[in-house]
Amino acid sequence: NAGVMQNPRHLVRRRGQEARLRCSPVKGHSHVYWYRQLPEEGLKFMVYLQKENIIDESGMPKERFSAEFPKEGPSILRIQQVVRGDSAAYFCASSAGAPSGYTFGSGTRLTVV
Amino acid sequence: DQQVKQNSPSLSVQEGRISILNCDYTNSMFDYFLWYKKYPAEGPTFLISISSIKDKNEDGRFTVFLNKSAKHLSLHIVPSQPGDSAVYFCAACDGGSQGNLIFGKGTKLSVKP
Repeated sequence: NAGVMQNPRHLVRRRGQEARLRCSPVKGHSHVYWYRQLPEEGLKFMVYLQKENIIDESGMPKERFSAEFPKEGPSILRIQQVVRGDSAAYFCASSAGAPSGYTFGSGTRLTVV
Repeated sequence: DQQVKQNSPSLSVQEGRISILNCDYTNSMFDYFLWYKKYPAEGPTFLISISSIKDKNEDGRFTVFLNKSAKHLSLHIVPSQPGDSAVYFCAACDGGSQGNLIFGKGTKLSVKP
């Protein structure tokens, strides 16, 4: 039973390009959470999704960022027109609903050059 | 406005001694608390949790204490081992809400042989 799979592990984008980060949750988990960790900072909540629905996106910037968790396939965090300040580690977690079952992926490290 | 605070960015302890990591929170609606451990270039892994109906939870070398009146929790590791060297994140959630975790900034623990 594989854990949360995130890809790519490392992503380099030029300013103005789009970044797509993928997250496949633990099999059977229907709740997905995205967090961002900036250098020297903790994990900041971005968005919480269940299948085909955004439950809470209060931590996600209103512009350029979007997330989806389709009925089939992985959850996608999409960042349009990336800027240097978007450089961070983006972690996805999944759960079956209980906080103690929150399993994190290894993260995608985005570098904007 | 940080709802979960870990005021010590780092802690250094001798192998075999006790490590005490502290965490304070401000939101009185939080009723479930967790500790995560994170190695470099990996995602956080769940360590131990405590519900607000308890004041102590123990799992092997790890014990979490909760003081609700002070809005304070601590993680005790005894005896500390070099393999415990990692960043430890405190997290909290309001079980009555959507369930997303709010994290502190982390404390980097170094256990010296």
